Amino acid sequence: GNSVTQMEGPVTLSEEAFLTINCTYTATGYPSLFWYVQYPGEGLQLLLKATKADDKGSNKGFEATYRKETTSFHLEKGSVQVSDSAVYFCALSGANGFQKLVFGTGTRLLVSP
Amino acid sequence: DGGITQSPKYLFRKEGQNVTLSCEQNLNHDAMYWYRQDPGQGLRLIYYSQIVNDFQKGDIAEGYSVSREKKESFPLTVTSAQKNPTAFYLCATTGQGDEQFFGPGTRLTVL
Repeated sequence: GNSVTQMEGPVTLSEEAFLTINCTYTATGYPSLFWYVQYPGEGLQLLLKATKADDKGSNKGFEATYRKETTSFHLEKGSVQVSDSAVYFCALSGANGFQKLVFGTGTRLLVSP
Repeated sequence: DGGITQSPKYLFRKEGQNVTLSCEQNLNHDAMYWYRQDPGQGLRLIYYSQIVNDFQKGDIAEGYSVSREKKESFPLTVTSAQKNPTAFYLCATTGQGDEQFFGPGTRLTVL
């Protein structure tokens, strides 16, 4: 079945450092890929998405490129801020016409001033 | 203001009690979902509904029940058969696209 693997956290960075959070997936067909962010005590918010191979999703300085050849969707940001501290989830949607998402286990990011 | 509301924000349950978590949406979305979140385990799907009066079990449905009598509402009941219910519960919806929109969550604690 479909699955998502994320790097384990926490990821601890200083402000203005470069961020990479790795995400790889296993899926049949051509799923859409997502990054969601969860701030403490809140629900998940969509950060960015990509719907086909070589698409790049971007939002708020974050980027991720849908790489079919490496089955990856790594999240990057050039310069993190303290306010980016949160848990980040990679997810994929089934390719069967119904939007049931499969989530990774989440990666906690801690950014210090 | 369009969105998803979940209530209550915090809920305490005694052993052997059934409790119901509310999820309401005014996004006019057809599909609704319930997830359970435990530390270090990501989100696990409990139940989902693609249309009114129809719902399907997810990966961890045992000890839970749902109903979908109205498009706007998808309440989740945590029954006494659920032996380890302490968790953060998230409701979500999808419309025409494939992204899911999430509510703010309910934190359930067993006393």
